[in-house]
Amino acid sequence: NAGVTQTPKFRVLKTGQSMTLLCAQDMNHEYMYWYRQDPGMGLRLIHYSVGEGTTAKGEVPDGYNVSRLKKQNFLLGLESAAPSQTSVYFCASSLGRQNRRVNEQFFGPGTRLTVL
Amino acid sequence: QKEVEQDPGPLSVPEGAIVSLNCTYSNSAFQYFMWYRQYSRKGPELLMYTYSSGNKEDGRFTAQVDKSSKYISLFIRDSQPSDSATYLCAMRLSGNTGKLIFGQGTTLQVKP
Repeated sequence: NAGVTQTPKFRVLKTGQSMTLLCAQDMNHEYMYWYRQDPGMGLRLIHYSVGEGTTAKGEVPDGYNVSRLKKQNFLLGLESAAPSQTSVYFCASSLGRQNRRVNEQFFGPGTRLTVL
Repeated sequence: QKEVEQDPGPLSVPEGAIVSLNCTYSNSAFQYFMWYRQYSRKGPELLMYTYSSGNKEDGRFTAQVDKSSKYISLFIRDSQPSDSATYLCAMRLSGNTGKLIFGQGTTLQVKP
């Protein structure tokens, strides 16, 4: 099993450009999440999904959109990138049917994004 | 003020030392408390979680939760160089949305 994979691993954008980050998991997990990690700020939840076709906002959703058309994939879109979106982006997934199962989130290797 | 505060360190200890990592939080409704470990340039991985107050032990690792003080701790006994990583506390409300609130992370270096 590959676990959680993220594409791409690195990307440099210019201000105003758009891009999509792809997350895929092969563990048949119901729940998926997108986080950003910045120095001194820890991990912050951007958006999450509790099932195919459903999405919800996290702590810092502004400037991002997401889609979950298939259970195994969760896409994060930046429509008009800004320098403040320079960060490391992590995707994660978890089981969700039992309350405590959401405590163990499995993370991907991250995408390092720089917006100039 | 962040909901969850964690001293970022860095913390440097000699091999074999007992390490204490701590977080404080402000939301008394948090019910689940987790510790994740993150190696450099990798994604975090769950070490252990605790429900409500009390202690939990797993090998060299012990997690403690004191809800009355809104304070959680992770103790590492007989620390090893392989324990060098960033340790992130996380917590959430009951229910199964999976919305975790993370601390800033503490960077630990264990010197041989």
